[in-house]
This record gives sequence, C-alpha cells and structure tokens, in this order.
Amino acid sequence: AQSVTQLDSQVPVFEEAPVELRCNYSSSVSVYLFWYVQYPNQGLQLLLKYLSGSTLVKGINGFEAEFNKSQTSFHLRKPSVHISDTAEYFCAVSAGPNSGNTPLVFGKGTRLSVIA
Amino acid sequence: EAGVAQSPRYKIIEKRQSVAFWCNPISGHATLYWYQQILGQGPKLLIQFQNNGVVDDSQLPKDRFSAERLKGVDSTLKIQPAKLEDSAVYLCASRQGNYYEQYFGPGTRLTVT
Repeated sequence: AQSVTQLDSQVPVFEEAPVELRCNYSSSVSVYLFWYVQYPNQGLQLLLKYLSGSTLVKGINGFEAEFNKSQTSFHLRKPSVHISDTAEYFCAVSAGPNSGNTPLVFGKGTRLSVIA
Repeated sequence: EAGVAQSPRYKIIEKRQSVAFWCNPISGHATLYWYQQILGQGPKLLIQFQNNGVVDDSQLPKDRFSAERLKGVDSTLKIQPAKLEDSAVYLCASRQGNYYEQYFGPGTRLTVT
C-alpha cells in the first residue's frame, strides 16, 4: 500500500516570492506521483505528474516538481507566486507500472496563502 | 470536451435521512471513482468502477453506503441512513484507459445536521 505525507498544512508566502510545498511518500513498489490544486468550491485540477524518465517535471502555471527516489520525496516548487496561486495543494501517489488502474492515495493537503 | 458532471452541488439533510449523488463521467472513460473529502483532509477512495463492474470497494461503509454504475456510464452514490460524520465533499473522477490522469468533477458538498 502507498501513503503520502505533506509536511506543511499551511504555507504563507509573499507575492513574487518563491515557494516549496513538501511531499514525502511511502511505497513497497514503484510509483506514479501527482500534484493537484483545488480552488475554493471546485474539484481537483492536475498540476503535474511523474510517471517515468526525467526526475524534474514541469507543470501548468509555472509549477515544477522533482522526484527524488532515495529521499522518497516529490516537492513542488514555483520561483515566483501570484495572488491567484492561493489554493489547497494535494500530493498523491498510485502504484506504478504493471499495477493496473489503481486509485490515488492523497496527502492531507497544504494550504498556500499568497500575501500581497 | 465536457468535464465530469456532478449533482447536486450542495445538499443539507438531517441525520438518519437518505441522500443520493449523481455523476456523469467524461465520455469514453471506462474507470470511475468516488472519493470522500472530509474538511481538512485529502480525498479518500470510496469505490472504483471499471465499466459497470466494481474493482475496489474495500473502504466503502457498506452498511450505509451503496453505489452503482448502470450501463457503464453514469453513477449514483447513496447514503442511507446518513450520520453526522458523513458531512464531506463527495468527488467523482473518471479516467480513460491506461492514461494515468484522473479528471475530477466539482464535487457535492453534503452537510448532515
């Protein structure tokens, strides 16, 4: 089984400053990793995913994440945040190749608040 | 392309009442999921369908929750009777074939009083 730990429940940051949202995972098999964003009263939107290949993954809205297998981490970063980035961010994991259509296991979320 | 549709968006009921949620996945998506998201937590899988068959319902409280996906398209999730702890957002997601991205609907926010 897989599990995800998001190390920060809330992250306040000033506009145009960089941000890192931390995510660690646990799994006995290879994994796929995802970051989703949830704006108020909306569903989840995929920011980026790691399936295989390059460990640095670029997503939408200027976000990127780096897969670190030895540290079992998948931290999300953005060099300069905007007010519109204020939202809840979820890290998720699923079993990797040859595991079929396994569901996502989510972390508890990190609330990013961008301050003007 | 239309996204995942869910209704109603909001529902308030008293404990011990019944409630049903509806989900229409993206056309052609064979896999459908129902997740429960309690305030302050990440979504948790309740049930997964592949076409109209159940793949995983190990975390569905079967004494009060039921779900079906007739004809492998729309799905309904029912709670009978509801408890206070069922207050949550119920998210439906769908997925196409072997692509690993799940597309989420806007959710139904249930409040049990």
